[in-house]
Amino acid sequence: EPEVTQTPSHQVTQMGQEVILRCVPISNHLYFYWYRQILGQKVEFLVSFYNNEISEKSEIFDDQFSVERPDGSNFTLKIRSTKLEDSAMYFCASRADRLIDNSPLHFGNGTRLTVT
Amino acid sequence: KNQVEQSPQSLIILEGKNCTLQCNYTVSPFSNLRWYKQDTGRGPVSLTIMTFSENTKSNGRYTATLDADTKQSSLHITASQLSDSASYICVVSPGSNYQLIWGAGTKLIIKP
Repeated sequence: EPEVTQTPSHQVTQMGQEVILRCVPISNHLYFYWYRQILGQKVEFLVSFYNNEISEKSEIFDDQFSVERPDGSNFTLKIRSTKLEDSAMYFCASRADRLIDNSPLHFGNGTRLTVT
Repeated sequence: KNQVEQSPQSLIILEGKNCTLQCNYTVSPFSNLRWYKQDTGRGPVSLTIMTFSENTKSNGRYTATLDADTKQSSLHITASQLSDSASYICVVSPGSNYQLIWGAGTKLIIKP
């Protein structure tokens, strides 16, 4: 069964450094998402992306964050200057058809980001 | 305010036993309700998606129910296995133009 893949599985970085988290969504999916989950807390929406542009973003997704689909397969999340509070699991998800609202979201296994 | 509340927060049962997890929501409008299983350190995996008109939906040993009038859902796990140990998250969709509303999850531990 096709799956969403994320790399790296774990990233450790120093405060103030830039990080890029990478995702390869399922190949025929059109809608892409980034979520984060701070340890022990709820999953939180960051951003959705369709047709090479951001569809929606949350309050968390401030100017430090950006997303890109640099080619036909990768979908990246960049954090420009990491803060301690950015430490979390970051999940990429994709979906075939957003307009069919009961289509499932497929999640990757996440990147654990640790900011020291 | 749109909210999804789950109970219990955590649950420990013996292998082979059944259990039921609860989800109450105050989300409007309502499009569908989803249950996800999240193994520790992994991404959520969809178990069921139920729309307004569906009262029950099964996926193997998992059976979800939905009462749209009382805004309650439950996830029943039959004949639990060690691999069922995970967090189970209830998620409500207000519609395709809205973001999903996530519950905090129930952490289920199955003991041999």
